[in-house]
Amino acid sequence: DAKTTQPPSMDCAEGRAANLPCNHSTISGNEYVYWYRQIHSQGPQYIIHGLKNNETNEMASLIITEDRKSSTLILPHATLRDTAVYYCIVWYLQGAQKLVFGQGTRLTINP
Amino acid sequence: DGGITQSPKYLFRKEGQNVTLSCEQNLNHDAMYWYRQDPGQGLRLIYYSQIVNDFQKGDIAEGYSVSREKKESFPLTVTSAQKNPTAFYLCASSSGGVAFTGELFFGEGSRLTVL
Repeated sequence: DAKTTQPPSMDCAEGRAANLPCNHSTISGNEYVYWYRQIHSQGPQYIIHGLKNNETNEMASLIITEDRKSSTLILPHATLRDTAVYYCIVWYLQGAQKLVFGQGTRLTINP
Repeated sequence: DGGITQSPKYLFRKEGQNVTLSCEQNLNHDAMYWYRQDPGQGLRLIYYSQIVNDFQKGDIAEGYSVSREKKESFPLTVTSAQKNPTAFYLCASSSGGVAFTGELFFGEGSRLTVL
């Protein structure tokens, strides 16, 4: 499985867009990018995933660079409830059906 | 409402005792997973099962055992062979086989403390 690199922590002001970067320079052509988040002492929550096109849902947007070596998760209007650890995972959907979580980015939304 | 139920939420045990954590899901999912999380760390996969009566070891299976006799249930036993069992344990499920999308649904976790 391709490895990912995320900053250990980030801060963002409430109401602003939170942009969380993820590097995955060894990603292969059939590996997807997944994002999950974990609010303190709870189970992780799926946010979004994509292959090469940008994706948007009710929670967030996922921007994947053209060379697919990096991606950015965007929370358009961050609220205090978005404070969490965000995990970027790269994974081959047709392979072993298991997800491997890294250390993630601890995002703090400040009032 | 459909979901995953883990019990107990908190558990204290003496060193050397086996402990079984329960995980039940009513989402009709084929695949189920157990993860371990230590303070300030990411999740590490212990075991996973893609179908009833079958399961595979994850990255840190030593000292743990599982069974998958029913689709809805995937209990995890923390045995006395696990050197450092104090941790937060998370169970998850997902649709499996050709319906697999990579979206895992997690329970609320069980926090085990060994005294």
